[in-house]
Parts: sequence; C-alpha cells; structure tokens
Amino acid sequence: EPEVTQTPSHQVTQMGQEVILRCVPISNHLYFYWYRQILGQKVEFLVSFYNNEISEKSEIFDDQFSVERPDGSNFTLKIRSTKLEDSAMYFCASRDFSGAGADTQYFGPGTRLTVL
Amino acid sequence: AQSVTQPDIHITVSEGASLELRCNYSYGATPYLFWYVQSPGQGLQLLLKYFSGDTLVQGIKGFEAEFKRSQSSFNLRKPSVHWSDAAEYFCAVGPFYGQNFVFGPGTRLSVLP
Repeated sequence: EPEVTQTPSHQVTQMGQEVILRCVPISNHLYFYWYRQILGQKVEFLVSFYNNEISEKSEIFDDQFSVERPDGSNFTLKIRSTKLEDSAMYFCASRDFSGAGADTQYFGPGTRLTVL
Repeated sequence: AQSVTQPDIHITVSEGASLELRCNYSYGATPYLFWYVQSPGQGLQLLLKYFSGDTLVQGIKGFEAEFKRSQSSFNLRKPSVHWSDAAEYFCAVGPFYGQNFVFGPGTRLSVLP
C-alpha cells in the first residue's frame, strides 16, 4: 500500500540554524500539507499546498517557514532560523484530488525536530 | 471557525471492556469527520471516516463511530479493548478542497491488564 514517507525521523539542530524537513507524498496525490505537534499537545495545521503554490496557511506559518516541491516527488518544509519553540513533531500529509480517497489525508510517520 | 473538542483528556479502561471516546465539532455544515490513532512515537493512522450516508461507520482494528447531526458528535467506540489499543486518539474535521483539517486535542487511552 502506498504511503507517505518523511526524512529524517529525528533532526537535532542549534537555535538559529536552518533546517529542511523532507516528505515524499503518495505519488498520485495533488494536495500536500504540513502539520506540527508540540510534545503533549494537539496536531496543528501549518500549511497546505496545491498546484505548486500555498493554498492556505495558519498564523503559525510565518516568514521563517517556507515550502517547496522541488522535483515533482519531494515536498519540503524549511525553517530558516530555528527557535527553541520550533521543537515539535512535524507531520507531512497528502491527499488525492478525486476518487474514493479524495477527502482523506494520509500522514507520514513524522520528523521529530529538536532545537537546542 | 471550525473547532473540534474531545472532552476526555485521558481515559483508562480494562482490557476487554468497552470503549467510547467522545468528539464534538462546531461547523456550519456537516463536515467530513475522521478518527486517527497515534501510538507512542508514531505517526497518525486513519481509523475511519464519515462523509455521508450511513451514520454508523466501521473502521480498522474493530473500531466504529457514529455520526449524530443533532448532537454535532462523532463518537468512537470499540466493544472490547485490547492492550494494543493504548494510544492517543484524535478526532478531525475536514472541510473540502484545499482547506486545512482541524484536529481535536486528543484523548489518551490507557488499557489495564
């Protein structure tokens, strides 16, 4: 069964450094998402992406964040200058455009980001 | 704005007992409703979803959920809990096309032997 994959599984970085989190969505999906989950808290929406542009973003997704689909298969989240409060689990999700699974998001296993 | 509440932060049940996890949503129309499970250190796995039609939906791992429009609820149930069901359970609401999904705060399920 196709699945969303994410790399790395755990990223440790120093405050102020840039990080790039990578996701490979399910191949025929057209909508892509990033969510984050601070330890012990709920899953929060960051951004959705469709047709090579951001379709919606939350107030969390400020100028420090950016997303890109560089090569037609990967979907990346970049944090330009990490802060301690960026430490969280980051989940990528993808969704099909049509068919039986069109309104279901499929999540990757997550990347745990630790900012020191 | 859409919101999802899960009134129970933590529930403990004995193995073999029945389970009901509550979920209420606030949305102008009938949304698409989902339950996801997250085992410790793992990602989010879809348990079941409701789009329309029969208000009782069956999911994986023996779970089911019932949509009640009058109560704006989508409660998750399982008749007999297994120790492996111990996890965090999230209810989510998904508006259509391109819009974000909203998650509830989660309910942590502990299972006693």
